[in-house]
Amino acid sequence: DAKTTQPPSMDCAEGRAANLPCNHSTISGNEYVYWYRQIHSQGPQYIIHGLKNNETNEMASLIITEDRKSSTLILPHATLRDTAVYYCIVSFSGTYKYIFGTGTRLKVLA
Amino acid sequence: EAGVAQSPRYKIIEKRQSVAFWCNPISGHATLYWYQQILGQGPKLLIQFQNNGVVDDSQLPKDRFSAERLKGVDSTLKIQPAKLEDSAVYLCASSSRLAIHPDTQYFGPGTRLTVL
Repeated sequence: DAKTTQPPSMDCAEGRAANLPCNHSTISGNEYVYWYRQIHSQGPQYIIHGLKNNETNEMASLIITEDRKSSTLILPHATLRDTAVYYCIVSFSGTYKYIFGTGTRLKVLA
Repeated sequence: EAGVAQSPRYKIIEKRQSVAFWCNPISGHATLYWYQQILGQGPKLLIQFQNNGVVDDSQLPKDRFSAERLKGVDSTLKIQPAKLEDSAVYLCASSSRLAIHPDTQYFGPGTRLTVL
C-alpha cells in the first residue's frame, strides 16, 4: 500500500499558486519524498524530491514540515498545462522502488 | 537525450490472445521497470530489472505475464493468454544508479492495452 495520503482532486485558478498537500505520517528517517505528475495519455513526469529541507527547481517548490510527516508541492503560477494528476511518493534511498497512490487530480481553470 | 521509448502505443486484442510490449530505456540506464496502470489508479510495479537480472517480480502474475531483458538494454513484456482485467496502460521506466539523483525514474509514454 502507498504510504502517502492526498486529496483526490483540487481546482486552481490560472496564474495563481497551486498548493498540493501530501500526508506521509509514517515516513522514516531515510525516506525521500518524491513528486511526479501525469498529464493525460502520458507517462509520469518527475517534478522534484527532498529529504528534509525545502527544495526549489524550475518547475516547483517542495515544502516539508519539520517533523517530515507532511509536505506541500507548490506550483507558483499555475497554467492550463499544469492540469494533471500529481503523485506524492515516499521511497527509501537506494531501493529505487516507488509505490504510487491514487494522486491528486489538479484542474487549472481559465 | 532521447527518452524512454515504448511500442506499440495502442493495442486491442481479444481475450485469450497473446500480446507483447517493447521498451527501450534511456541510454546507459541499468535499471528498468514495468508498471501496470489501471484506469483511475496509480501505476503498480510489475517487475524491476538491474541490467539483465530481475530485482523484484513479486507483483508479476507469473502464470500469464513474462518479461525479459536479455542484453541488459531493451525489454519485452508479454501477456499470454490475456484476460479482460489486463486492460490497462503498461508503462516502462528507467533509472541510473550513477546519476546525481539515482532514485529518479524516467517514464515512457506507455502502451494502452484493451482486451475485448
